[in-house]
Amino acid sequence: GDSVTQTEGLVTLTEGLPVMLNCTYQSTYSPFLFWYVQHLNEAPKLLLKSFTDNKRPEHQGFHATLHKSSSSFHLQKSSAQLSDSALYYCALSPTGNYKYVFGAGTRLKVIA
Amino acid sequence: EAAVTQSPRNKVTVTGGNVTLSCRQTNSHNYMYWYRQDTGHGLRLIHYSYGAGNLQIGDVPDGYKATRTTQEDFFLLLELASPSQTSLYFCASRAGGRATEVFFGKGTRLTVV
Repeated sequence: GDSVTQTEGLVTLTEGLPVMLNCTYQSTYSPFLFWYVQHLNEAPKLLLKSFTDNKRPEHQGFHATLHKSSSSFHLQKSSAQLSDSALYYCALSPTGNYKYVFGAGTRLKVIA
Repeated sequence: EAAVTQSPRNKVTVTGGNVTLSCRQTNSHNYMYWYRQDTGHGLRLIHYSYGAGNLQIGDVPDGYKATRTTQEDFFLLLELASPSQTSLYFCASRAGGRATEVFFGKGTRLTVV
């Protein structure tokens, strides 16, 4: 079946350090991949999504690269900010059906 | 921005009780989803639908029924609520196309005592 794995439950970083949140997936065919961000007491909202070509999506300083060979879509940012503290979900939209599957989420905590 | 409205926002019920969670979207989206959110498990798909009268089984459907009465309205039913169903429930909608994002409602916090 289709699934998303986020191995880190909690990532704690000092402000200014680079961010990398891991996401790997399993899907029968080439899915679309997404990152969502959820701030405290809010609903999740889209951060960025994969493209069908080799473009690298970017938003608010975050970027992610889809690597089909390793089934990964890791989220990165060069310098963490305090306001980046939130829950981050990786999600996939598979080919052949309209399920929309999320990973378990990674909580990013940025400290001064 | 897409509007998804959930009601009620908070609900407390007793074990064995009946609960209906409501969701309405006003964006003419074809697809609607019900998720539950629990720490350590993330967002887990309960049921989803691609139009009025259609229902698809998600990944954690046990103990839940759902019904899509119109394109706008999607209901989640717990007929014999159990404490394990205490959770934060999100409804979401999405336009057609696999590259489209989902838009979430604000969530319903359900407590089963």
